[in-house]
Amino acid sequence: GDSVTQMEGPVTLSEEAFLTINCTYTATGYPSLFWYVQYPGEGLQLLLKATKADDKGSNKGFEATYRKETTSFHLEKGSVQVSDSAVYFCALSDGSSNTGKLIFGQGTTLQVKP
Amino acid sequence: EAGVAQSPRYKIIEKRQSVAFWCNPISGHATLYWYQQILGQGPKLLIQFQNNGVVDDSQLPKDRFSAERLKGVDSTLKIQPAKLEDSAVYLCASSLGPAIYNEQFFGPGTRLTVL
Repeated sequence: GDSVTQMEGPVTLSEEAFLTINCTYTATGYPSLFWYVQYPGEGLQLLLKATKADDKGSNKGFEATYRKETTSFHLEKGSVQVSDSAVYFCALSDGSSNTGKLIFGQGTTLQVKP
Repeated sequence: EAGVAQSPRYKIIEKRQSVAFWCNPISGHATLYWYQQILGQGPKLLIQFQNNGVVDDSQLPKDRFSAERLKGVDSTLKIQPAKLEDSAVYLCASSLGPAIYNEQFFGPGTRLTVL
């Protein structure tokens, strides 16, 4: 079945460092891809999404490009802030089923130190 | 606009007891999801409703879990009897419709501890 694999955490960076969180997927259909973020004590929030190959999703300085050839959707940010400390989840939704069901990776914890 | 509401936020029970969780979706959202998030893992879909009908309950352990969405608005998820492995955060999400382009909005979750 469909699945998502994220890089192991925690990831610890200094403020203003460059961030990459790797995400790869396995899907039989034509999925849409998402990054969700969970700040401490809060619920999951959609960070960005891409619905087809070569699309780039972006929000709050974060970017991810839908790479069909490598089945990847890596999250990047050029300069992280302490306020970016959170758990990041990569997810896919299978377009062929059209139910909107999300399949999540295991999450990657990011800690940014001042 | 009010977000997805869930209650209780925390619950501690002993194994073999029963427990129920409540979710109130965003007004006007026809689709409602219940996810289970075990510590260190990503959320996993348990059941999806479209209005008051079930769309997908393939991963719901039906011998002990049940869910309903009477009148197509609020929903309750019940576990009876609970097992130790049910300790998790139970997330409710809602969206305007089931299509993948409809963003899912998540509630804060209910953290269940089974002793």
